[in-house]
Amino acid sequence: GAGVSQSPSNKVTEKGKDVELRCDPISGHTALYWYRQSLGQGLEFLIYFQGNSAPDKSGLPSDRFSAERTGGSVSTLTIQRTQQEDSAVYLCASSSGLARQYNEQFFGPGTRLTVL
Amino acid sequence: AQKITQTQPGMFVQEKEAVTLDCTYDTSDPSYGLFWYKQPSSGEMIFLIYQGSYDQQNATEGRYSLNFQKARKSANLVISASQLGDSAMYFCAMRGASGTYKYIFGTGTRLKVLA
Repeated sequence: GAGVSQSPSNKVTEKGKDVELRCDPISGHTALYWYRQSLGQGLEFLIYFQGNSAPDKSGLPSDRFSAERTGGSVSTLTIQRTQQEDSAVYLCASSSGLARQYNEQFFGPGTRLTVL
Repeated sequence: AQKITQTQPGMFVQEKEAVTLDCTYDTSDPSYGLFWYKQPSSGEMIFLIYQGSYDQQNATEGRYSLNFQKARKSANLVISASQLGDSAMYFCAMRGASGTYKYIFGTGTRLKVLA
């Protein structure tokens, strides 16, 4: 596709349930990022992938959060046993991943997660 | 460790006037990139402007310019001739080039343009 896509756009779930959020990066982009944005707040880095490996998982808030990327393309962010504080917009971004300063991130529209 | 600081949680500006949004950063990388993004109420993140640490001139993109002061570690965004459509959240971000592809974002500044 032309841009980064994310699905679902909205997800309402009950506390304790597991959710999967999907990100389709721009074709050919090797770097993929997940961020979380709570209402009215800034972007909180969660994890990034270079290819299928995740050199930096430092932002994952707990072991309930995990992410994988297969085929150097689609990524899935999984939240197990969701809690109300997990409610936020989850943003995915991709970039060409080249080792140079200028490497613009292209963002998807986000998934709004609401945990009841 | 890398850090981005945006000290203005909210700003107001009169339509057609210029406004400066502050951003300071901290990094030990000799090579890095600085970005500004706009996030309207619709939620999408829109890339505005980029400044490389070795760029000799301040970056400009239309009505946006970046006041880059390397010694002071500041990268302020200047929006000239503000328009009502400029009302949004603005985020400053940084990427280091030495061994990490991670981007660090500031907490953002909410700009409101008044008619």
